[in-house]
Amino acid sequence: GDSVTQMEGPVTLSEEAFLTINCTYTATGYPSLFWYVQYPGEGLQLLLKATKADDKGSNKGFEATYRKETTSFHLEKGSVQVSDSAVYFCALFTNTGNQFYFGTGTSLTVIP
Amino acid sequence: GAVVSQHPSWVICKSGTSVKIECRSLDFQATTMFWYRQFPKQSLMLMATSNEGSKATYEQGVEKDKFLINHASLTLSTLTVTSAHPEDSSFYICSASLYGYTFGSGTRLTVV
Repeated sequence: GDSVTQMEGPVTLSEEAFLTINCTYTATGYPSLFWYVQYPGEGLQLLLKATKADDKGSNKGFEATYRKETTSFHLEKGSVQVSDSAVYFCALFTNTGNQFYFGTGTSLTVIP
Repeated sequence: GAVVSQHPSWVICKSGTSVKIECRSLDFQATTMFWYRQFPKQSLMLMATSNEGSKATYEQGVEKDKFLINHASLTLSTLTVTSAHPEDSSFYICSASLYGYTFGSGTRLTVV
């Protein structure tokens, strides 16, 4: 069945460090891929998405490219800030199942 | 933008009691809402789909008599965990769909 495997955390980085959070997926159809972010005490917010192979989603300095050949959607940011500290969820959505499948979430802490 | 309010943010209850969690769409009407659950170090898993004015659709393995869902209006869905036990301790989060999916802030339930 459809599923998402996400890099386990927690991840702790110094400010201005490079961030990669790995995400791979398994899907029977042609899913859309998402990264959601959850800041402390808040709901999940859509960070970026990609709807087809080779699409690149980007927002707030974060990027992820939909790689069909490697079934991956890794999240990257060149220079993290303290304000990026949050939990990040990779997810896929398929029209066949009409529902989201989430990864386990990766907690990121950025220290000054 | 679309906002979903979830209440309470956290709750501690005694084993055998019932707990009600509310999910409200604040600035839009949601005919469909979704309830997810996340156990520690596991993915967010869809529990049920709540449809206004009709019975909820539960995912396989979710006890409908234990997790009562009521979607009596276009802006409110409630999840009641009946006769809660420690194994029901989890993170519950709702989502509403308009032109995309908006998530609430989640409820941390601890049953002691």
